[in-house]
Amino acid sequence: AQSVTQPDIHITVSEGASLELRCNYSYGATPYLFWYVQSPGQGLQLLLKYFSGDTLVQGIKGFEAEFKRSQSSFNLRKPSVHWSDAAEYFCAVGAGDMRFGAGTRLTVKP
Amino acid sequence: NAGVTQTPKFQVLKTGQSMTLQCAQDMNHEYMSWYRQDPGMGLRLIHYSVGAGITDQGEVPNGYNVSRSTTEDFPLRLLSAAPSQTSVYFCASSYSMTGYDEKLFFGSGTQLSVL
Repeated sequence: AQSVTQPDIHITVSEGASLELRCNYSYGATPYLFWYVQSPGQGLQLLLKYFSGDTLVQGIKGFEAEFKRSQSSFNLRKPSVHWSDAAEYFCAVGAGDMRFGAGTRLTVKP
Repeated sequence: NAGVTQTPKFQVLKTGQSMTLQCAQDMNHEYMSWYRQDPGMGLRLIHYSVGAGITDQGEVPNGYNVSRSTTEDFPLRLLSAAPSQTSVYFCASSYSMTGYDEKLFFGSGTQLSVL
């Protein structure tokens, strides 16, 4: 069965520093992979997605993610974090019965 | 354009009571789903539907029923509420689940407490 692991429950970075959030997946075929962001008290918003082709995908708000089949990973990156990026981030895999990871909470220090 | 609308936003139930969480979307999306969100566990899929009249179980379907009589609506029914069903529930929809158009739009959530 498909599944997603986000190894980091909570990450703290300083504003302006770079960010990488880890995501590992288990899926039988070529996966559809997603990153969603959830601000406090809100629903989830899609940041970016991967279906096929270029393994480096660009998303909204300056985020990007790289699909590495050999490592079963789809890590999210941002070169310079802003205070408004503080939120919870979810990696997801699948089509139809999409499965989410447990999430990584990002805190941004001034 | 309202998107995905969930009602109610908050609900308190007693153990054994039943209720229905409502979800409606106005984007003509074929795919709809229900998730529950619990601390440290992310979102877990309860049920989903790929079109009117078609539903299927997700990871945690026990204690919940769904039906899809129209494209727009996908209600979630709790048959006999239990404290373990205390959670935040999200409804989501997508135009497609098998291609470039795959993107979930989420409702704002329903916070349910079962005493």
